[in-house]
Amino acid sequence: AQKVTQAQTEISVVEKEDVTLDCVYETRDTTYYLFWYKQPPSGELVFLIRRNSFDEQNEISGRYSWNFQKSTSSFNFTITASQVVDSAVYFCALTGESSYKLIFGSGTRLLVRP
Amino acid sequence: EAGVVQSPRYKIIEKKQPVAFWCNPISGHNTLYWYLQNLGQGPELLIRYENEEAVDDSQLPKDRFSAERLKGVDSTLKIQPAELGDSAVYLCASSDRDRDTDTQYFGPGTRLTVL
Repeated sequence: AQKVTQAQTEISVVEKEDVTLDCVYETRDTTYYLFWYKQPPSGELVFLIRRNSFDEQNEISGRYSWNFQKSTSSFNFTITASQVVDSAVYFCALTGESSYKLIFGSGTRLLVRP
Repeated sequence: EAGVVQSPRYKIIEKKQPVAFWCNPISGHNTLYWYLQNLGQGPELLIRYENEEAVDDSQLPKDRFSAERLKGVDSTLKIQPAELGDSAVYLCASSDRDRDTDTQYFGPGTRLTVL
């Protein structure tokens, strides 16, 4: 069975601090995809990144970076120099060759204070 | 490119009443999904369509929930009759599995409150 664990329920930081959101996954699939979505107060889930299981190269996009480590089954997300607009709930999700279903973690609520 | 459109954004009804949600996916996306999101949790899949065919509705409570995607584009999710426990956010998503494997793009959701 596939499973995604986001152990951090809520994180609060002051603006300009760096913050890392943890994601640990379980799957028996050889080929799988990992995702991060952002859900601001408006409610829409905004796609941030997709990473396939064969590509362990870390990725940076502006202030966002992702660290994928198959050895620890983790796909962590770091926001550098956080801003108030980063405040949202962030979901890590997984899908694989055995199932098209997106399996979501329970989410991490990030609060960035001015 | 327009995103996934859902309506209404909010709906308040009394228990035992019917309710319907509408979704228009991203143009050209052949796969459409309906998810249920309870407060403080991640979304959970209710049903998936490939074009007009429901290829997985195993998580859909069929005694009261129904869905359709008649022309393979727009979709409607219905609850009849609604129960208190149905209060949640109903999210629609779409993907183009031929071009963008398994990346699902979500709409803003419909927040349902059953009184």
